[in-house]
Amino acid sequence: ETGVTQTPRHLVMGMTNKKSLKCEQHLGHNAMYWYKQSAKKPLELMFVYSLEERVENNSVPSRFSPECPNSSHLFLHLHTLQPEDSALYLCASSQVVVGGRGAVGTQYFGPGTRLTVL
Amino acid sequence: KQEVTQIPAALSVPEGENLVLNCSFTDSAIYNLQWFRQDPGKGLTSLLLIQSSQREQTSGRLNASLDKSSGRSTLYIAASQPGDSATYLCAVRGGATNKLIFGTGTLLAVQP
Repeated sequence: ETGVTQTPRHLVMGMTNKKSLKCEQHLGHNAMYWYKQSAKKPLELMFVYSLEERVENNSVPSRFSPECPNSSHLFLHLHTLQPEDSALYLCASSQVVVGGRGAVGTQYFGPGTRLTVL
Repeated sequence: KQEVTQIPAALSVPEGENLVLNCSFTDSAIYNLQWFRQDPGKGLTSLLLIQSSQREQTSGRLNASLDKSSGRSTLYIAASQPGDSATYLCAVRGGATNKLIFGTGTLLAVQP
């Protein structure tokens, strides 16, 4: 059991639905991440929150909207998704050195949410 | 742009064999390199983290090496077991950006 939990574990949604993915970390970290893992492709970093501020957004379509209300929780709000958005969405957390070059420690991953868009 | 390649894409070995997984990266200006394990339908588990100033790290039957100048890392697994079956992912941090760049992984199957 890792210190990062994600809910739901599986989600099936239509293209017109609105849903949210939730991530919670119990490790006392100050940075959280959303990744997308599609079949046959490397993990792609989507968003990074450091000290509750979004510090990175890798040209992700606006139909994905992240929210980080505090250092322990991270959400990914989904709306009007496309079938090609079907993937495993992974959340991770790490400890960031304040004033340094960003996260230097290990990232701890949650189990992921398997998303299917019909 | 940093690119990470892992060879082979898939590997099947009998139980007890020693094996080597390879990872190469195009930009040698990395901060660190990390090896992860991913079981089917699960998240990633960190195995070893090598800082750019280090040459290798060991944990149990696992040994990871790093040759920054040539852009290569290897993960050595000694006396493989069926429980080692999983996808192994290599990721580097640093270079032009300060985020983890992943390879596509090596799918390992250890036959009993």
